Amino acid sequence: DVKVTQSSRYLVKRTGEKVFLECVQDMDHENMFWYRQDPGLGLRLIYFSYDVKMKEKGDIPEGYSVSREKKERFSLILESASTNQTSMYLCASSTGAGYYGYTFGSGTRLTVV
Amino acid sequence: AQKITQTQPGMFVQEKEAVTLDCTYDTSDQSYGLFWYKQPSSGEMIFLIYQGSYDEQNATEGRYSLNFQKARKSANLVISASQLGDSAMYFCAMRDYYGGATNKLIFGTGTLLAVQP
Repeated sequence: DVKVTQSSRYLVKRTGEKVFLECVQDMDHENMFWYRQDPGLGLRLIYFSYDVKMKEKGDIPEGYSVSREKKERFSLILESASTNQTSMYLCASSTGAGYYGYTFGSGTRLTVV
Repeated sequence: AQKITQTQPGMFVQEKEAVTLDCTYDTSDQSYGLFWYKQPSSGEMIFLIYQGSYDEQNATEGRYSLNFQKARKSANLVISASQLGDSAMYFCAMRDYYGGATNKLIFGTGTLLAVQP
């Protein structure tokens, strides 16, 4: 079965900490994505990557960066966590064709205190 | 810019009844794709159904069907014979072509469905 794995289900971090959210897929997908999900706002795209070492900003990139050194791994980095980054973070991957949309990870619920 | 609108924040339905979840979209593209996802309380996103803009027939997958009205730019999800396990958040999404073989998905704000026994 195809898998997108997010390293942590729940995280609690302090304001100002550097936070790494890791995502690994085993489907050899070219495209990987990071979304954040907030009540009433749906899913909003933070960053995506269409190839190793390539990245593009989504709709809400401020306060975030990403890294994709290997095809299977896409990391989301909060350089200095703030309380307004408390949210559910979802990673996804897709093939180039995109017919079936995405395969999602199970999400990381991040709380910044 | 492309946009997905879901106007129903929450809905109730009786078990075994049918329910329609509304979705309208806005795009200037001729070629696009529309998706519905289910998100149970556990958090994972489950793909339900897909409709391509050139598909002449409405998509169906088991108890799920997509009522596609292109002229009205609507892509409503119909769930027949609701079950308690259908209680979840439902998201409508549209594929946004980025370039090459890359597509992004744009999501609506979701509809929380509660199935009552």
